[in-house]
Amino acid sequence: ETGVTQTPRHLVMGMTNKKSLKCEQHLGHNAMYWYKQSAKKPLELMFVYSLEERVENNSVPSRFSPECPNSSHLFLHLHTLQPEDSALYLCASSLDRVSTDTQYFGPGTRLTVL
Amino acid sequence: QKEVEQNSGPLSVPEGAIASLNCTYSDRVSQSFFWYRQYSGKSPELIMSIYSNGDKEDGRFTAQLNKASQYVSLLIRDSQPSDSATYLCAVTRNGGSQGNLIFGKGTKLSVKP
Repeated sequence: ETGVTQTPRHLVMGMTNKKSLKCEQHLGHNAMYWYKQSAKKPLELMFVYSLEERVENNSVPSRFSPECPNSSHLFLHLHTLQPEDSALYLCASSLDRVSTDTQYFGPGTRLTVL
Repeated sequence: QKEVEQNSGPLSVPEGAIASLNCTYSDRVSQSFFWYRQYSGKSPELIMSIYSNGDKEDGRFTAQLNKASQYVSLLIRDSQPSDSATYLCAVTRNGGSQGNLIFGKGTKLSVKP
C-alpha cells in the first residue's frame, strides 16, 4: 500500500461519544498534518507534527487531541464534539517542514456530529 | 484581509478552451505557491508548484507567478470535461511557520462538452 491512508472514511458520532481518526503514510516523510475542510471555508490547518513532535497547534479546541506515536502514524482523538465540528478531516504528509516541500493528502474522513 | 483570495466561481468554459484561474495573496514573504485540484468528495491533489517569478509549464498546465503583484495564476489549455473540479491555491512561507500551507477557498471550474 502506498501514499497516505485514512480510516475510517466516514464517521457518524453523537456529541457524547469518543472516537479516533487514524492516518498512516507510507512515503517515508517526517512531517504530518491535520486539516479541517468545512463547506464554503478554506482548508484550515489544525496540527503539525515534525519528527513525531507537535510543532504547531492552530488554536484548536481541546476536544480535538492529536497523537503521533511514530513518523508513519497520526491520530486525532475526538471527544464531546459539537455539530459545527462536522466536516472533512484531511491528513497530509511532507518530506520535511520546508516551504518548498509538497504535501500529499489522504482521502479524508467525513465526520458527522449529531 | 484574507491571506489567499480566489474567485469562488463557478468558472464555466467550453471543451477545448483555455481556463484561467487566478489567486492573490496578502503576505509578501510568501515563498512557495501550489495549485491543488480537488474533485467533489475527494482529497486535494497537487497539480503544479512554482517558486520563482515567471511561467512554469507542465503538459496542458501553466502556472504564472508575479511576486511584485502578489499574484499567481493557473492556465489550463485544451480544457477537458475531466478538468471539472475545484482548484485550490495555496502558499507557504519561510520562518517559524514554514511548510504550513495557507489555502484559498478554491475556484470551481466546469468544462462543458
